[in-house]
Amino acid sequence: GAVVSQHPSRVICKSGTSVKIECRSLDFQATTMFWYRQFPKQSLMLMATSNEGSKATYEQGVEKDKFLINHASLTLSTLTVTSAHPEDSSFYICSALRDSGANVLTFGAGSRLTVL
Amino acid sequence: GENVEQHPSTLSVQEGDSAVIKCTYSDSASNYFPWYKQELGKGPQLIIDIRSNVGEKKDQRIAVTLNKTAKHFSLHITETQPEDSAVYFCAARVNTGFQKLVFGTGTRLLVSP
Repeated sequence: GAVVSQHPSRVICKSGTSVKIECRSLDFQATTMFWYRQFPKQSLMLMATSNEGSKATYEQGVEKDKFLINHASLTLSTLTVTSAHPEDSSFYICSALRDSGANVLTFGAGSRLTVL
Repeated sequence: GENVEQHPSTLSVQEGDSAVIKCTYSDSASNYFPWYKQELGKGPQLIIDIRSNVGEKKDQRIAVTLNKTAKHFSLHITETQPEDSAVYFCAARVNTGFQKLVFGTGTRLLVSP
């Protein structure tokens, strides 16, 4: 149990376009999901906390208009990188918190974004 | 806010040896400390965790110890195997309503046959 699916796993886009990444909890409900960004050989940096049915809470320094987060259902959160630029190229990882149980976080496999 | 430091950044061992990775945290209110293994190009996978009301936890070749007074916790891997090679991250859960995790900087473990 506790599987989180992230899609797409890899995406290449042109500068100025928008890219949407989906994060789904497949076998449990997740009121709360988290989005992280990871640069090569570095740790995971929390970008925002996504709560179902409400606005996301962004970490300091993360542009909310640049990284749009929507958590419309208990099993789906999306991250849209708007007007992407090469500096947005990174590995984006989501995680989901089970509503019940031991409050353990389950991570998706990540999405590698390359902006040309 | 919470700050988690992790050492060493790289660790090379021979197959069969033990490996120890150490982390310290700053917020005494943190109450949950998971360890994740991340293989290249993949998301982190939980390998073991410990809560603040426990001093030690073991799962086969993996164990974690927690010293709340000193605010540090460690991952111990015994009888290492080449498939243990990966990047390991410790984390501490900030005691807020959002259950946020703050990650350490990671340890690249290389187990040589």
